[in-house]
Amino acid sequence: AQSVAQPEDQVNVAEGNPLTVKCTYSVSGNPYLFWYVQYPNRGLQFLLKYITGDNLVKGSYGFEAEFNKSQTSFHLKKPSALVSDSALYFCAVRDIERDTDKLIFGTGTRLQVFP
Amino acid sequence: ETGVTQTPRHLVMGMTNKKSLKCEQHLGHNAMYWYKQSAKKPLELMFVYNFKEQTENNSVPSRFSPECPNSSHLFLHLHTLQPEDSALYLCASSQDLGTSREQFFGPGTRLTVL
Repeated sequence: AQSVAQPEDQVNVAEGNPLTVKCTYSVSGNPYLFWYVQYPNRGLQFLLKYITGDNLVKGSYGFEAEFNKSQTSFHLKKPSALVSDSALYFCAVRDIERDTDKLIFGTGTRLQVFP
Repeated sequence: ETGVTQTPRHLVMGMTNKKSLKCEQHLGHNAMYWYKQSAKKPLELMFVYNFKEQTENNSVPSRFSPECPNSSHLFLHLHTLQPEDSALYLCASSQDLGTSREQFFGPGTRLTVL
């Protein structure tokens, strides 16, 4: 069965420091991987996705993520955090070979960036 | 985010009430989704529609009844809900059901069942 794990409920980082939000996945075939962000009282916003090709994917607002097949991970990163990055981040996976409409989400990681 | 709108933004209802949630997308997409978001739990996919046809019902209780009159509009009709149904209900759309497609979400309806 497909699954996504976000092992940290919350990540705290000082403004200007690099940030990492972790995600690991489990699928029977090859994955499509996504990161979404949710600001307070808002819906989820698409940040970036890995489909194929270069393992380092660049997305919106300076975020990037690295697909690591051997570690089944897709960690979200940013070189220099901003206070405005504080939000709830969701990793999601689709199993290509199951040809399913279903996008499986993790439980979310709350990122808190302190001034 | 204004590409997908949801009304109402907040709803309080009793267990015997009937209410409806509305979603509209202005993106020209063909697929629409209902999700339930509860605290400390992953987003739960409820229903998927593609070109107005339901393609997935993720074992959702019959007290939730979706309706998709056209590709731009999606409703969720609610009847005799339980307090545990209190959650944020999110609507989303995508260009189609292609597995590489990202989904665009509305702001959600915060539902409280008394």
